[in-house]
Amino acid sequence: DAKTTQPNSMESNEEEPVHLPCNHSTISGTDYIHWYRQLPSQGPEYVIHGLTSNVNNRMASLAIAEDRKSSTLILHRATLRDAAVYYCILHGGDSSYKLIFGSGTRLLVRP
Amino acid sequence: NAGVTQTPKFQVLKTGQSMTLQCAQDMNHEYMSWYRQDPGMGLRLIHYSVGAGITDQGEVPNGYNVSRSTTEDFPLRLLSAAPSQTSVYFCASSHITGTSVSEQYFGPGTRLTVT
Repeated sequence: DAKTTQPNSMESNEEEPVHLPCNHSTISGTDYIHWYRQLPSQGPEYVIHGLTSNVNNRMASLAIAEDRKSSTLILHRATLRDAAVYYCILHGGDSSYKLIFGSGTRLLVRP
Repeated sequence: NAGVTQTPKFQVLKTGQSMTLQCAQDMNHEYMSWYRQDPGMGLRLIHYSVGAGITDQGEVPNGYNVSRSTTEDFPLRLLSAAPSQTSVYFCASSHITGTSVSEQYFGPGTRLTVT
């Protein structure tokens, strides 16, 4: 399975944008980049996913580097509710349908 | 839609006992999966299924069995519980899109303690 590398933790101030990086230098041409987050004491929830082009939804934006070896999840205005562990996952390249979570980035949002 | 439901919410087992964790979804999703999450750790994939009658192993399948006789249900069976299986178990489901899956919906989890 292709690996992702994320910082262990990041901090942000409330109402400021947050850029969460993910490196995936061994990504294959058919790997999708998925992002999930897990709020304290809850199950994971889907945030966004993409293949090559940048993607936007009501929750976040996903910026994918031109060479696809890195991506950035952008939260446009962090709220206290965005404090969570954010997971960047590669999926689909080996056709096994395994969705493997790594250790993620713990985001702390300061009021 | 109820989404993904899991029962029970909590369970305490003695070492050596067996039990089945139930998972059901009402979204007609092809893909279903089971994860475990130990305290302070990330999620690890146990088993997954891409449709009725088709299952495959994830990262940590030992000690667990699954079956998928219907699209809706994906039960996880613990064969002989061990303290190392104390964890929170999450079930998830999604549609399959080509070689990947779309948005995965997670259930609320089952907190299992093995004494």
